Amino acid sequence: GAVVSQHPSRVICKSGTSVKIECRSLDFQATTMFWYRQFPKQSLMLMATSNEGSKATYEQGVEKDKFLINHASLTLSTLTVTSAHPEDSSFYICSAPGAGRTDSPLHFGNGTRLTVT
Amino acid sequence: SQKIEQNSEALNIQEGKTATLTCNYTNYSPAYLQWYRQDPGRGPVFLLLIRENEKEKRKERLKVTFDTTLKQSLFHITASQPADSATYLCALETGANNLFFGTGTRLTVIP
Repeated sequence: GAVVSQHPSRVICKSGTSVKIECRSLDFQATTMFWYRQFPKQSLMLMATSNEGSKATYEQGVEKDKFLINHASLTLSTLTVTSAHPEDSSFYICSAPGAGRTDSPLHFGNGTRLTVT
Repeated sequence: SQKIEQNSEALNIQEGKTATLTCNYTNYSPAYLQWYRQDPGRGPVFLLLIRENEKEKRKERLKVTFDTTLKQSLFHITASQPADSATYLCALETGANNLFFGTGTRLTVIP
């Protein structure tokens, strides 16, 4: 089955530094990937849609200059949290749809727990 | 904007019983709805998809219903087991491969 690998699983960084999170589709190609953020006891909130070879589409209220997305290949999307602050601490999860259909289930990575100190 | 309510934040049931989770939505008419399972510290895992023209879908011990008049989906786990303990999320389609997630119901199956 389709597997999405996300790395790192946990990261602790100091306030003001940048953190890069990678999301890879291991056995399928993903022209689109989605990035979510999840706070404790809350649902997944879509941050942005990553499109291979073009600019990402950001949801309202998400700062594109703070959350940089790069989708340079059909199997890799990266999210960089720039100048991280404690309020950016959260669980970040990526996903990619299965091939071919607009109603395909999403395949999720196992998330990245970001803690900004 | 869309709004999803999942019946309760937490649900405890005895092993062997049927768990029923509710997902109500407003302000939207999705073409389909999906259910996912999420374990602590992990990404969600897809379980079932049901389309607007389908009343019911089954997969092993799982059953999903979809009532577009009531704007409600019910998710049933029959003969529940402790291994079924997890958070279950319903998600509405809002465009091609785009999903809007509910906050989830944390199910605990007590041995």
